[in-house]
Amino acid sequence: GAGVSQSPSNKVTEKGKDVELRCDPISGHTALYWYRQSLGQGLEFLIYFQGNSAPDKSGLPSDRFSAERTGGSVSTLTIQRTQQEDSAVYLCASSLDWRNTEAFFGQGTRLTVV
Amino acid sequence: GQNIDQPTEMTATEGAIVQINCTYQTSGFNGLFWYQQHAGEAPTFLSYNVLDGLEEKGRFSSFLSRSKGYSYLLLKELQMKDSASYLCAFLSGGYNKLIFGAGTRLAVHP
Repeated sequence: GAGVSQSPSNKVTEKGKDVELRCDPISGHTALYWYRQSLGQGLEFLIYFQGNSAPDKSGLPSDRFSAERTGGSVSTLTIQRTQQEDSAVYLCASSLDWRNTEAFFGQGTRLTVV
Repeated sequence: GQNIDQPTEMTATEGAIVQINCTYQTSGFNGLFWYQQHAGEAPTFLSYNVLDGLEEKGRFSSFLSRSKGYSYLLLKELQMKDSASYLCAFLSGGYNKLIFGAGTRLAVHP
């Protein structure tokens, strides 16, 4: 595609429910990142994929968070048993390769847990 | 460990020059980035430095000193539309994780 696409753009869910966030990177980009941004805050690193592999999962806040990437393209971030503190904008970025000379961001998914 | 610091807020006058500083600490380093983020929007790429020195791109310039763990973003001829958050980020060694600072909110006033 022309840019990084994320869906849904907005998600309101009840506490305790599971949610799945999707990221479609730019075609041909092998590196993919997930970040979380709370209101007025910086970007918190969650996980990084190179191809289908996730060499660094150290940013995932808890075992309720998981992510996968299939076919070196689409990635999904799953949050189980959502909590109110999970409310944030979840941003996905992709770059051509590991050198990451420019990462392109999607518009994000705004998650609200009520 | 890894750490990145930048001022929380800055203000400047339209037409002026502003310098936003960033310091970082990391055991491995593969480059320093600056991104711009307008409120409610995704970050967009501004600059990339991997070698020491100044990179100029129009009204924006970015400087890097690897030995000092220091970078700055210089914005010239400020315009109202430059009001945004400016995010400093480094690409760590090893897994090439892109680590962001908390961002500097710049307010440009007439």
